[in-house]
Amino acid sequence: QKEVEQNSGPLSVPEGAIASLNCTYSDRGSQSFFWYRQYSGKSPELIMSIYSNGDKEDGRFTAQLNKASQYVSLLIRDSQPSDSATYLCAVNFYGNNRLAFGKGNQVVVIP
Amino acid sequence: DTEVTQTPKHLVMGMTNKKSLKCEQHMGHRAMYWYKQKAKKPPELMFVYSYEKLSINESVPSRFSPECPNSSLLNLHLHALQPEDSALYLCASSQVPQGDLDRGELFFGEGSRLTVL
Repeated sequence: QKEVEQNSGPLSVPEGAIASLNCTYSDRGSQSFFWYRQYSGKSPELIMSIYSNGDKEDGRFTAQLNKASQYVSLLIRDSQPSDSATYLCAVNFYGNNRLAFGKGNQVVVIP
Repeated sequence: DTEVTQTPKHLVMGMTNKKSLKCEQHMGHRAMYWYKQKAKKPPELMFVYSYEKLSINESVPSRFSPECPNSSLLNLHLHALQPEDSALYLCASSQVPQGDLDRGELFFGEGSRLTVL
């Protein structure tokens, strides 16, 4: 069964620090990788997509993909209280017309 | 503009009621999705429409009935629901169906929060 794992519990970071989130996936043939941010009671919002190995930066967010090790990570630099949310990792497995979501990681930024 | 509009935002219904959730996008996306999300859980896929045809039904009970009248609209008809069906129902769209490389980014609407009494 194709799986996406986000195993870390809630992450508390002080304001201004770097928050680091990790995600592993089971299918080596996976092609597309996404990070969604979801505030409590709201819908998921796409914040990053990455398709090739390496880093992709967008503002304070950096996604890192390592297909050989089958992990994708998200770094949030200069964390702000507004970054407090649940972050969902999602993977589009090759040949599968659907996204597989991880369980999510809650991030709490402490002022 | 990456906007998916869902109505109503909140819906309370009894187990004998018939209601519908509506979703609209004007981004020219050719794939539309219904997801169900319970508290503190990831979204669960229910249905996928690709080019206005139902392509995926994730073994959803028949009390949920999807409809895609045209490429911009997606409905979810609800009938004889159970209290355990109470959840946030999310509509999403993507430029092309998932599985097409590099263009499968999924954009969600704000959701319809359903309570079944």
